[in-house]
Amino acid sequence: AQKITQTQPGMFVQEKEAVTLDCTYDTSDPSYGLFWYKQPSSGEMIFLIYQGSYDQQNATEGRYSLNFQKARKSANLVISASQLGDSAMYFCAMREGLQGAQKLVFGQGTRLTINP
Amino acid sequence: ETGVTQTPRHLVMGMTNKKSLKCEQHLGHNAMYWYKQSAKKPLELMFVYNFKEQTENNSVPSRFSPECPNSSHLFLHLHTLQPEDSALYLCASSQVSTSGVTDTQYFGPGTRLTVL
Repeated sequence: AQKITQTQPGMFVQEKEAVTLDCTYDTSDPSYGLFWYKQPSSGEMIFLIYQGSYDQQNATEGRYSLNFQKARKSANLVISASQLGDSAMYFCAMREGLQGAQKLVFGQGTRLTINP
Repeated sequence: ETGVTQTPRHLVMGMTNKKSLKCEQHLGHNAMYWYKQSAKKPLELMFVYNFKEQTENNSVPSRFSPECPNSSHLFLHLHTLQPEDSALYLCASSQVSTSGVTDTQYFGPGTRLTVL
């Protein structure tokens, strides 16, 4: 069974608009972490934001926020006031458990294109 | 140098060649990872090293041989590869605390490998 699902292969948004990238996950482990990474065409995976399963509040990092709905097992990324430089692939990832060097399971990604 | 660096950035090799990919992290982390990113597939974990010990081998064929001589360096030795091994190979590192809790993984820019 797929553990991370990103249902939007591609999204097109006008510059300065807000955008929401969807991510749903599946786990039976009560301790887990959710991550969003950005991958520009250069290839590097850039860490954006993290949400722990026990965190009471939604994570925020500058223009990025994570809409964490635990009961629905969703962890959507919201980018406010989008910029041309936000055009990239975006990956949602999950780490099950909090101990030791843990592997990340990634979704298929969403290609975001910001139009001027 | 800062963050995680990988060399070479691009590599073209024949199926009978032997080559090595190098990863170096300058973050003081103690865990390192190899991931493979093929076209149209999610990022896949290959190997995990925690305190220089291999803790995970995700059913990777023996033609890929990892080496972690110290906590800052990670190699991926390649021999008799197949054309389907062509992909972007990403290295990452993270910090695992003395209590065993692991932190965010930070990625290098990747090596784009083409096997002819």
